[in-house]
Amino acid sequence: DAMVIQNPRYQVTQFGKPVTLSCSQTLNHNVMYWYQQKSSQAPKLLFHYYDKDFNNEADTPDNFQSRRPNTSFCFLDIRSPGLGDAAMYLCATKSDIPNNQPQHFGDGTRLSIL
Amino acid sequence: AQSVTQPDIHITVSEGASLELRCNYSYGATPYLFWYVQSPGQGLQLLLKYFSGDTLVQGIKGFEAEFKRSQSSFNLRKPSVHWSDAAEYFCAVVPWKKTSYDKVIFGPGTSLSVIP
Repeated sequence: DAMVIQNPRYQVTQFGKPVTLSCSQTLNHNVMYWYQQKSSQAPKLLFHYYDKDFNNEADTPDNFQSRRPNTSFCFLDIRSPGLGDAAMYLCATKSDIPNNQPQHFGDGTRLSIL
Repeated sequence: AQSVTQPDIHITVSEGASLELRCNYSYGATPYLFWYVQSPGQGLQLLLKYFSGDTLVQGIKGFEAEFKRSQSSFNLRKPSVHWSDAAEYFCAVVPWKKTSYDKVIFGPGTSLSVIP
């Protein structure tokens, strides 16, 4: 029944070693979001795709990139992870029709940096 | 500045007691309003939402919330808390926009502990 699926649930990488997190959805939603959430904080929006249009938040570090090869999949690439990038990464999807629909979240990927 | 506030960082209640979590927003027009719950190590689950109409909305897991325009508030309530309700609760706002997609503004969250 999972509709927004994030893999892996836990990811460990080394300082500076590129890492990719994945998100897939079965909802056919046209908007997909990536959030970073640190302990005891609210999710922070990194970027989102509206269909194939990429929208970066102004304060998202250049170290973070994203790809959306098709409607169902979206990837978060961290080119050179630093210790400060250890966090939970949440993917969310939304249909923009109608406009008042809520976002649906995956269970997240917890990223640890060694 | 536009913002969402949750005045209580942490609340502890006894199982079976009633609960109210506060949320205030500062936007000119009535935004779309949501409450999400996050259990440890999990993603966010939608509890309920308000767009228009009846100001008292019912959600899942026995939760309800009341929109009060005069107070710019959207407080979450539950008459009898269960131990499984222990989690982080986020109030979220989507400011009304004419564009077909939106940005969700999350409050800082309230952590709920339940004493057996």
